[in-house]
Amino acid sequence: SAVISQKPSRDICQRGTSLTIQCQVDSQVTMMFWYRQQPGQSLTLIATANQGSEATYESGFVIDKFPISRPNLTFSTLTVSNMSPEDSSIYLCSVLPGGELEQFFGPGTRLTVL
Amino acid sequence: KQEVTQIPAALSVPEGENLVLNCSFTDSAIYNLQWFRQDPGKGLTSLLLIQSSQREQTSGRLNASLDKSSGRSTLYIAASQPGDSATYLCAVRPIAAGNKLTFGGGTRVLVKP
Repeated sequence: SAVISQKPSRDICQRGTSLTIQCQVDSQVTMMFWYRQQPGQSLTLIATANQGSEATYESGFVIDKFPISRPNLTFSTLTVSNMSPEDSSIYLCSVLPGGELEQFFGPGTRLTVL
Repeated sequence: KQEVTQIPAALSVPEGENLVLNCSFTDSAIYNLQWFRQDPGKGLTSLLLIQSSQREQTSGRLNASLDKSSGRSTLYIAASQPGDSATYLCAVRPIAAGNKLTFGGGTRVLVKP
């Protein structure tokens, strides 16, 4: 298994500003992902955070809006840039340790944009 | 493209009743299926993982079955308790999608005392 922490747990931000979310894992993992969950919706994959290289973004998500860093195998950040109220969501970090392919999620960051 | 559906979207039962949550998926070519629990405004907790070669997995009061050929999984929660109130999400890992999970819309469960 893996224990994941995220900072901040929640934030209220003004439109036009940016927020950086941190994800820390208690063990080294190769596969790390960032998801978004809009109110009342299921999860949508934003990108796969690759260690030492640029993240791989899903359709509809771009690096300028959601820059991601992955400096090592236990840490990643997601920045939500130039925020608008439509960015109000829960942002979740997730990891896929080796072995049986069981995926684990962090506690989420609840973002409200005014 | 893999699609995952969970019916019903919401369910309310009295305490003590058994819960039956359904998940269906369109493409049987999967590595595994995972059930998660999500409390309001929180992250996901992994409940059970079923590999494609398995028929079921059990953990305490939870039992999940998998019928890959028909594209169905069922999560059973025995003797429900108010603490079981949460949203339950089903996700499959399609072989065609590499390491990416495809999620269902979830079933929101309320267990009334």
